[in-house]
Amino acid sequence: QLQLQESGPGLVKPSETLSLSCTVSGGSISGSTHYWGWIRQPPGKGLEWVGSMYYSGSTYYIPSLSSRATIYVDTLKNQFSLELTSVTAADTAVYYCARHGASGYCRGDSCYDWYLDVWGRGTLVTVSS
Amino acid sequence: SYELTQPPSVSVSPGQTASITCSGDALPRQYSHWYLQKPGQAPVLVICKDSERPSGIPERFSGSTSGTTVTLTISGVQAEDEGDYYCQSTDDSGTYWVFGGGTKLTVL
Repeated sequence: QLQLQESGPGLVKPSETLSLSCTVSGGSISGSTHYWGWIRQPPGKGLEWVGSMYYSGSTYYIPSLSSRATIYVDTLKNQFSLELTSVTAADTAVYYCARHGASGYCRGDSCYDWYLDVWGRGTLVTVSS
Repeated sequence: SYELTQPPSVSVSPGQTASITCSGDALPRQYSHWYLQKPGQAPVLVICKDSERPSGIPERFSGSTSGTTVTLTISGVQAEDEGDYYCQSTDDSGTYWVFGGGTKLTVL
């Protein structure tokens, strides 16, 4: 059974870099036909897609975060990670990692039929001094 | 940018039918997907690709489309169906993958 687990600091100072990892168990990232993504949810608010990646290293970000977000994969550890630079209080959120459903695809920078069928439990990251 | 619009709340009595709508300009051409999030838990996919039910999701959950509006229908609502429901889709450019604002389903 596929499981995802987020890990990383729960507190980050303003202007610093948020770093989170997602460890995948019960399946392999490399060679998988699935994309893998990060989604966040500010306290009491709705869900926001941050970005996603393919095991080959291709990455995709929502435009509003593309200048600050980086997603990368470590196939040896079967992990993928998120870095978000220059954080502010607005980046305080529960961060989820998730696996995409099998049917999604990308053509260049355009990606379609994306949905998330397996989620981690999420980790709260608070940006505060 | 691209937006999906959902009603903030829906209330229904046990055993009745709940319908939750989601509107967006690209929905006639792009798939919609639905998630249920219970308090303190991660979202769970309940409908994908407009109307497909993932393994383990009860048959009482169904999805349909009509123009720029998609609808999640829960037939014979049970107390355990209470929570926040989010629709999700993509704009026509394939660069905005968005969730609706969420609908809180209350089972009276």
